[in-house]
Amino acid sequence: QSALTQPASVSGSPGQPITISCAGISSDVGSFNLVSWYQQYPGKAPKLMIYEGSKRPSGVSNRFSGSKSGNTASLIISGLQAEDEADYYCCSYVGRGVFGGGTKLTVL
Amino acid sequence: EVQLVESGGGLVQPGGSLRLSCAASGFTFRHYWMHWVRQAPAKGLEWVSRLNGEGSSTSYADSVKGRFTISRDNAKNTLYLQMNSLRGEDTAVYYCALVGLATGVSAFDIWGQGTMVTVSS
Repeated sequence: QSALTQPASVSGSPGQPITISCAGISSDVGSFNLVSWYQQYPGKAPKLMIYEGSKRPSGVSNRFSGSKSGNTASLIISGLQAEDEADYYCCSYVGRGVFGGGTKLTVL
Repeated sequence: EVQLVESGGGLVQPGGSLRLSCAASGFTFRHYWMHWVRQAPAKGLEWVSRLNGEGSSTSYADSVKGRFTISRDNAKNTLYLQMNSLRGEDTAVYYCALVGLATGVSAFDIWGQGTMVTVSS
């Protein structure tokens, strides 16, 4: 399977919403309930933020949500905060993980 | 508390071998599929390998197939990654990760802190 395609970077101002896209082929992102999103700070391990396309693990802020349109999944962060500045990765899991290239989110 | 702690990383010459360990605690280790995921310096995440709870079913990324072997000791709650014929492109932080603890069977719930492997002469 090919890697999923994410924008290299996105930015937004505090309080604004931002969207990070994750484009794939029908056999991975097309299976939306297999898409997950991870947040990673420099030098730290990734943290699960969204699973099964749109579900949030316990403890994750409800400012984070997931959606899908066709073969593109999206992570939406509403009410951007300075602490959201990090790298974000999408992943499609079908017995093995296929990750996107990652998106660096900058809070202006 | 659920925890994964990797160890065994270090500096190794090209062509050399290294064995990574991942000590698990806080959950019934033998019930869960376990994975290795790596991240080269300033690069993205790359899935490496996975092993089922019994240790009978494995899968590998094409980039490591034939060189890496994943295994586990359920009595010791430990996951391993034997890495042979190492190459420069294997230089990365290696994470062990758990699937399905609290979020179904399609996401990496828990990650270790990672262990750095550097392949260089």
